[in-house]
Amino acid sequence: KAGVTQTPRYLIKTRGQQVTLSCSPISGHRSVSWYQQTPGQGLQFLFEYFSETQRNKGNFPGRFSGRQFSNSRSEMNVSTLELGDSALYLCASSPLGRAQDTQYFGPGTRLTVL
Amino acid sequence: GENVEQHPSTLSVQEGDSAVIKCTYSDSASNYFPWYKQELGKGPQLIIDIRSNVGEKKDQRIAVTLNKTAKHFSLHITETQPEDSAVYFCAASAGGTSYGKLTFGQGTILTVHP
Repeated sequence: KAGVTQTPRYLIKTRGQQVTLSCSPISGHRSVSWYQQTPGQGLQFLFEYFSETQRNKGNFPGRFSGRQFSNSRSEMNVSTLELGDSALYLCASSPLGRAQDTQYFGPGTRLTVL
Repeated sequence: GENVEQHPSTLSVQEGDSAVIKCTYSDSASNYFPWYKQELGKGPQLIIDIRSNVGEKKDQRIAVTLNKTAKHFSLHITETQPEDSAVYFCAASAGGTSYGKLTFGQGTILTVHP
């Protein structure tokens, strides 16, 4: 089976712009979670989607949003970018997103905000 | 919410030695504890996980122990090799409606010297 894929792998944006990142889960997985990884804050949970519905959300401002399509692919959007949004954005997929389901991570998208 | 503390932040060992990384968690409802290895430029890769109904799990040179009473779990790597050098993260997942959310420790940079 192919693993989790994320596109693009690298992005450079300027403050105030918006960005959309894409994630394709492992075939058959219906849950997609998004995480932000920074040197200072580590890995932090953004949100989780299942069957096109957001079921869980972390403590991030409303500028961070996401969606999921009927084929389980997911996108996340960050509007009005700030310098502090520079990070590695990771998505992970699991079969059903239950608490004990194993999550498999993609390679991440490295976002740099100038 | 859940809080996971991980120690040490850096660990340096000689090839062939053992390495131990410890994590504590705060939410007694947590019932799933994965460990991930992250190499430079890659996403986290699951190396072993343990569920709350088990006290210990082993996979070749890697083992994880869980003490639910004390709310801590540990990763043990025996006969370390240079290719084990990476950043290791512990995580915890609570039950109930904590869909798709892992709470991560801050990470341990493991260096194995040949």
